Amino acid sequence: DAGITQSPRHKVTETGTPVTLRCHQTENHRYMYWYRQDPGHGLRLIHYSYGVKDTDKGEVSDGYSVSRSKTEDFLLTLESATSSQTSVYFCAITTGFYGYTFGSGTRLTVV
Amino acid sequence: DQQVKQNSPSLSVQEGRISILNCDYTNSMFDYFLWYKKYPAEGPTFLISISSIKDKNEDGRFTVFLNKSAKHLSLHIVPSQPGDSAVYFCAALKSSGDKLTFGTGTRLAVRP
Repeated sequence: DAGITQSPRHKVTETGTPVTLRCHQTENHRYMYWYRQDPGHGLRLIHYSYGVKDTDKGEVSDGYSVSRSKTEDFLLTLESATSSQTSVYFCAITTGFYGYTFGSGTRLTVV
Repeated sequence: DQQVKQNSPSLSVQEGRISILNCDYTNSMFDYFLWYKKYPAEGPTFLISISSIKDKNEDGRFTVFLNKSAKHLSLHIVPSQPGDSAVYFCAALKSSGDKLTFGTGTRLAVRP
């Protein structure tokens, strides 16, 4: 276990509300990623970070923002949640030779 | 534009037989490929990888084959076991510094 935890594990929220998901790692890895998993789409990159305060967009970044004020924490914010953002969200860190280690995921339901 | 494709969303195999999961890619700049396995309510975990300088990599019951000219890779599981039942994702990247691009996944069910 590479020491990566996500919180919360499950969340139900209402349309239009802001939501923040947290990813915490304990091993000082530089690169961190947020993916979403949806049926028929696999895992798609939302945002990633290559250091404190250094972030960039992935392929499905609309409606999401991120922040990384400390090496160990990477936050994903849905600024105004929509039903299309109902998904399972995974955080990952780069470990080993090109490999990623993923957290256990956050299941988000927007009603 | 799906650069990594897994055209079979599901596969069912008898225990003890071979499971073959396929993956196609379109970006010829990809030069490193990985397979991840995912159980329900867990994050994906790394299974096996292959560099584009090889055409085969083996790890126990798992073998990955790469056909660069066809832009195709496959994962063979022999013999298949019920514990192999999971969703399998292939992923690709350019080793010059890139993010993993994942396929859509194949759900494997191994019947006892």
